[in-house]
Amino acid sequence: EPEVTQTPSHQVTQMGQEVILRCVPISNHLYFYWYRQILGQKVEFLVSFYNNEISEKSEIFDDQFSVERPDGSNFTLKIRSTKLEDSAMYFCASTLTAPQVPEAFFGQGTRLTVV
Amino acid sequence: AQSVTQPDIHITVSEGASLELRCNYSYGATPYLFWYVQSPGQGLQLLLKYFSGDTLVQGIKGFEAEFKRSQSSFNLRKPSVHWSDAAEYFCAVCGRNQGGKLIFGQGTELSVKP
Repeated sequence: EPEVTQTPSHQVTQMGQEVILRCVPISNHLYFYWYRQILGQKVEFLVSFYNNEISEKSEIFDDQFSVERPDGSNFTLKIRSTKLEDSAMYFCASTLTAPQVPEAFFGQGTRLTVV
Repeated sequence: AQSVTQPDIHITVSEGASLELRCNYSYGATPYLFWYVQSPGQGLQLLLKYFSGDTLVQGIKGFEAEFKRSQSSFNLRKPSVHWSDAAEYFCAVCGRNQGGKLIFGQGTELSVKP
């Protein structure tokens, strides 16, 4: 069964450092997303990406965040200068056809710990 | 504002007992509706979805959910809970033709007593 793959599963970084979270969406999917879940809180939308550009972003997704699809398979989330409050579980998701059938498949998540 | 409310933060049921997890939403028009499950250390797995048509939808693992437009609810049910159902359950909505962005509820943690 096709699945969304995220690496690493856990990353510890020092405050102020840059991190890149990686995702391999399902191969024929066209819409890609990042969500985050701070411990004890709800899953929050960060950004959606379609046709090589951001289609929507939340107010959380400020200038410190960026996304990229550098090749035909990877989808990355970069945090330029991490803060303590960026510590969270980050989920990547993909869908085949978002507006018509927005059935999102999620990866296992990357737990980011900023110290 | 668009929102999803899961009023029960934690529920404990006995194995074999029935289960109902509540979900209410606030949205301008009827959205797409979803239930996801997250087992410890795992990602989010789709249990079931409602797009249109029959308001009672069947999902995986013996779960079902009923959409009630008049109550803006999409409650998840299972007639007989198994110990392996212990997990966190999330209700989510997505606007029609809105690019697939999901809005999640707070989640309900389900514990199962032997």
